[in-house]
Amino acid sequence: DTAVSQTPKYLVTQMGNDKSIKCEQNLGHDTMYWYKQDSKKFLKIMFSYNNKELIINETVPNRFSPKSPDKAHLNLHINSLELGDSAVYFCASSQDANQPQHFGDGTRLSIL
Amino acid sequence: AQSVTQPDIHITVSEGASLELRCNYSYGATPYLFWYVQSPGQGLQLLLKYFSGDTLVQGIKGFEAEFKRSQSSFNLRKPSVHWSDAAEYFCAVGAPSYGNKLVFGAGTILRVKS
Repeated sequence: DTAVSQTPKYLVTQMGNDKSIKCEQNLGHDTMYWYKQDSKKFLKIMFSYNNKELIINETVPNRFSPKSPDKAHLNLHINSLELGDSAVYFCASSQDANQPQHFGDGTRLSIL
Repeated sequence: AQSVTQPDIHITVSEGASLELRCNYSYGATPYLFWYVQSPGQGLQLLLKYFSGDTLVQGIKGFEAEFKRSQSSFNLRKPSVHWSDAAEYFCAVGAPSYGNKLVFGAGTILRVKS
């Protein structure tokens, strides 16, 4: 059983489009995260939700909007995609602040 | 704010040789420290973690790491490397007081030669 699953695995789209990435975890964790890994493999946190409440919002353009319909899901919607948004986006979850994070396999977003 | 430095971008070792990957961190309190491994096209898999207690922690796949507060280091070691260990390794520091966000180092690519 996949613990943290992201869809789609690959996303190729054009500049200016709006797209969403979905994330679901079946671990019963309370906290979920979105990370961005750029072309140099540098990983940086974007958002974190705990029980559907936003607790971390790093310096991310407001074109990025996370949504957590329940604590098992954290989706990422991106408006007006730009070339610089091309990256691999990872979802993660943890039980609480004292537990390690479990990562999904990533969504590779390519902007044409 | 916390930060992590992995001084080695690439490391090449022979199969069967020992391995040490370096990690230095900066954090004002006792950190939570992690090592993750990422194979090409895959997500990150947790190798081991340090929260408190014994400073030598054992992880999966025969890896271990030692927390040295005086040196602000958390180096990853393995006594005998296997070809399947070739991957990218990320050290991370966690901050429960900052919503448990992880700050990652830039990663070290491990190549294993036969």
